[in-house]
Amino acid sequence: AQRVTQPEKLLSVFKGAPVELKCNYSYSGSPELFWYVQYSRQRLQLLLRHISRESIKGFTADLNKGETSFHLKKPFAQEEDSAMYYCALSATNYGQNFVFGPGTRLSVLP
Amino acid sequence: NAGVTQTPKFQVLKTGQSMTLQCAQDMNHNSMYWYRQDPGMGLRLIYYSASEGTTDKGEVPNGYNVSRLNKREFSLRLESAAPSQTSVYFCASSVGQGTGYTFGSGTRLTVV
Repeated sequence: AQRVTQPEKLLSVFKGAPVELKCNYSYSGSPELFWYVQYSRQRLQLLLRHISRESIKGFTADLNKGETSFHLKKPFAQEEDSAMYYCALSATNYGQNFVFGPGTRLSVLP
Repeated sequence: NAGVTQTPKFQVLKTGQSMTLQCAQDMNHNSMYWYRQDPGMGLRLIYYSASEGTTDKGEVPNGYNVSRLNKREFSLRLESAAPSQTSVYFCASSVGQGTGYTFGSGTRLTVV
């Protein structure tokens, strides 16, 4: 079954420290993975997708098929990065819709 | 350019009451979705509509019905609300399945 796990419910780091939000997936096909972010009292928005290999707001994520991971990284965290982060897999079990992980709340401390 | 609009933003229902959550998008997207967001469980797909005229069940469809009224609108109906349906509901749309979603701002529903 397609599944996305995010082992950390809460991750706290100090401003300027590196941050890594973990995401692992299980999927038998060729995965398409995304990171979504939800800032306080705002709607979810797409942060980045693995196929575009982009860097958004200093965040990057590399798909590691061997480890079935898609960890989100940023070398120097900022206070405005505090938000809820969801890893998502585009899956075929529901018509190729998204399966979301449970989310990780990132708190960047001053 | 509103994107995805959901109404209402907040609602309190008594057990057994019914209501319809409305969602509309102005981006000419083909696919639309309803998710519920619960602490520790992320977002779970309730129903989706791959294209106008089609609807399909997602992961947690029980207790819900949907209508894809036209290409723009996709409504979610609770026929007899239960406390277990207390949640935040998000509507989303996409150009096609498997592409990035645009989300609405959410409806916070409490069933007492």
